[in-house]
Amino acid sequence: DADVTQTPRNRITKTGKRIMLECSQTKGHDRMYWYRQDPGLGLRLIYYSFDVKDINKGEISDGYSVSRQAQAKFSLSLESAIPNQTALYFCATSDFTSNEQFFGPGTRLTVL
Amino acid sequence: ILNVEQSPQSLHVQEGDSTNFTCSFPSSNFYALHWYRWETAKSPEALFVMTLNGDEKKKGRISATLNTKEGYSYLYIKGSQPEDSATYLCAFIGGSGTYKYIFGTGTRLKVLA
Repeated sequence: DADVTQTPRNRITKTGKRIMLECSQTKGHDRMYWYRQDPGLGLRLIYYSFDVKDINKGEISDGYSVSRQAQAKFSLSLESAIPNQTALYFCATSDFTSNEQFFGPGTRLTVL
Repeated sequence: ILNVEQSPQSLHVQEGDSTNFTCSFPSSNFYALHWYRWETAKSPEALFVMTLNGDEKKKGRISATLNTKEGYSYLYIKGSQPEDSATYLCAFIGGSGTYKYIFGTGTRLKVLA
């Protein structure tokens, strides 16, 4: 079984809809992250959480919110999706010593 | 704004050639530099975690060096094989006060058989 899972894997939605992307991990890591990947721009950090009570904005948090429901779960919400949020979204985890990121399989989101 | 730059953006080499790419990062407030390998349709996977100036890491035919004082890291691949074809990402970890984890845009390597 995969250590970091994401649901859904693909989603097509319309402008203005609320969308939630979910991430679960079995690695026992405290730290979890959400990234988006756009062609030519690489991976950009949206939000990160160092433990259940800790939420921090990353480089591009506008238009997004997150919830850390448990150590193993970290969800990303788009309250009102817009077309420029069309991207590939990755969840990742790390331990606190090395910060080496372990990535989920990605969610491809298309906003029409 | 912290910039992490990688060069070249893309590279085609023949099977058996050796190659190298560069990651440039801020030389201040350094904590660590990570290298990842990202194959098409998969997720990035860590290659190296580098923390000390002068670090050299090796995994098979792939190796990396780190110079934190001048803000660069090199990734080398010896005797490239088609299965080495991937995008290689570096990530800078550091920042003063607030946590920063910034990826470069990657070097896309294609090894031709």
